[in-house]
Amino acid sequence: NAGVTQTPKFRVLKTGQSMTLLCAQDMNHEYMYWYRQDPGMGLRLIHYSVGEGTTAKGEVPDGYNVSRLKKQNFLLGLESAAPSQTSVYFCASSTGTGRNTEAFFGQGTRLTVV
Amino acid sequence: GESVGLHLPTLSVQEGDNSIINCAYSNSASDYFIWYKQESGKGPQFIIDIRSNMDKRQGQRVTVLLNKTVKHLSLQIAATQPGDSAVYFCAEIPSSGTYKYIFGTGTRLKVLA
Repeated sequence: NAGVTQTPKFRVLKTGQSMTLLCAQDMNHEYMYWYRQDPGMGLRLIHYSVGEGTTAKGEVPDGYNVSRLKKQNFLLGLESAAPSQTSVYFCASSTGTGRNTEAFFGQGTRLTVV
Repeated sequence: GESVGLHLPTLSVQEGDNSIINCAYSNSASDYFIWYKQESGKGPQFIIDIRSNMDKRQGQRVTVLLNKTVKHLSLQIAATQPGDSAVYFCAEIPSSGTYKYIFGTGTRLKVLA
């Protein structure tokens, strides 16, 4: 059981370039999330999805777009990367049913924008 | 906005001693809390959770205490081992109809040999 898988694990981008981070989960979870983690700060929610075909903004959505075309995949896009988007990105998923359910995390993607 | 925070950014304990990591939350409507462990270079991993209708829950070597009166959460690790060295996050889920987790900034636990 792979759980939550993120690709790529590392990436260096030049300012203005675009890229897509892929998150895949094999637990049939309804809810998926993208977080960014910066030094000295907690995980901050970028976007999330409550089911296939749905997306919603989180705490820090500017500069990012997402898509959930398939239930198992949640894509995070950067259209024009900026140095402020240098961070570690984590994808997570949860069942979304009931209120007592933990989120399962991927291993993270370390993105550097130069 | 409301947020989850931690009192101590770094905690150093001797191997074999007990560790206590604290967390304060500000949303009195939150009804579910989780502790996560994050090792260097890895994603957060679930440790233990607790519902707002409980004040204590025990797992293997870990205990979570919830004090709703003062909005305080703690994680106790018994007989701390080198493998416990990591950053620990608390998280809350507000009972607002959404399933968005709110994370604290984390406490780094260092286990001294």
